[in-house]
Amino acid sequence: NFMLTQPHSVSESPGKTVTISCTRSSGSIASNYVQWYQQRPGSAPTTVIYEDNQRPSGVPDRFSGSIDSSSNSASLTISGLKTEDEADYYCQSYDSSNHHVVFGGGTKLTVL
Amino acid sequence: QLQLQESGPGLVKPSETLSLTCTVSGGSISSSSYYWGWIRQPPGKGLEWIGSIYYSGSTYYNPSLKSRVTISVDTSKNQFSLKLSSVTAADTAVYYCARHVVVVTAKRHDAFDIWGQGTMVTVSS
Repeated sequence: NFMLTQPHSVSESPGKTVTISCTRSSGSIASNYVQWYQQRPGSAPTTVIYEDNQRPSGVPDRFSGSIDSSSNSASLTISGLKTEDEADYYCQSYDSSNHHVVFGGGTKLTVL
Repeated sequence: QLQLQESGPGLVKPSETLSLTCTVSGGSISSSSYYWGWIRQPPGKGLEWIGSIYYSGSTYYNPSLKSRVTISVDTSKNQFSLKLSSVTAADTAVYYCARHVVVVTAKRHDAFDIWGQGTMVTVSS
């Protein structure tokens, strides 16, 4: 079993760049793909990154994803921040050892 | 386009069984490419995967909930359902159904690409 740990909150100013981390507690972050979801208040999550670094159609290229085996973590980077990016962001992957989908605890992004 | 809609009681008494149904429209639940999943979110907290089902009836569940969860599918109605037994206040949450993409290659891809709007279920006497 592993956990995905995210910072509880991050904040940055409009126009700046922010990076949200997602650290896997055991096993390799590269073992299975990582997805990132955006959830605005009162709404269902939507995908902003899938398969570590792929953007669904309609998601601006300001959103990018990566994985880093040295820190065993995935990252979501949002550049050119807009107030509309303010939301909760969740990483998600799969635990092959027990056939379990795992979500990170979520990060609240404040754009101020 | 494909849409999912949750339905079921918004209030369940402690120790009883929570039952929800997800109706899929705009596409077939019998597509070979997808599982169908349930995810929940307690008020002010994060997302928790409950379990997923294939149209054939094959299931896999969150180990922490497995003893209380049953997910079933009715392909004739294009629906899948969740039953969670012996509920407590800790099961109070927004429950989402979602299409669960599973692709097994060198790295496994598991992702939820289309979600229902969610339904709030409160456990209280």
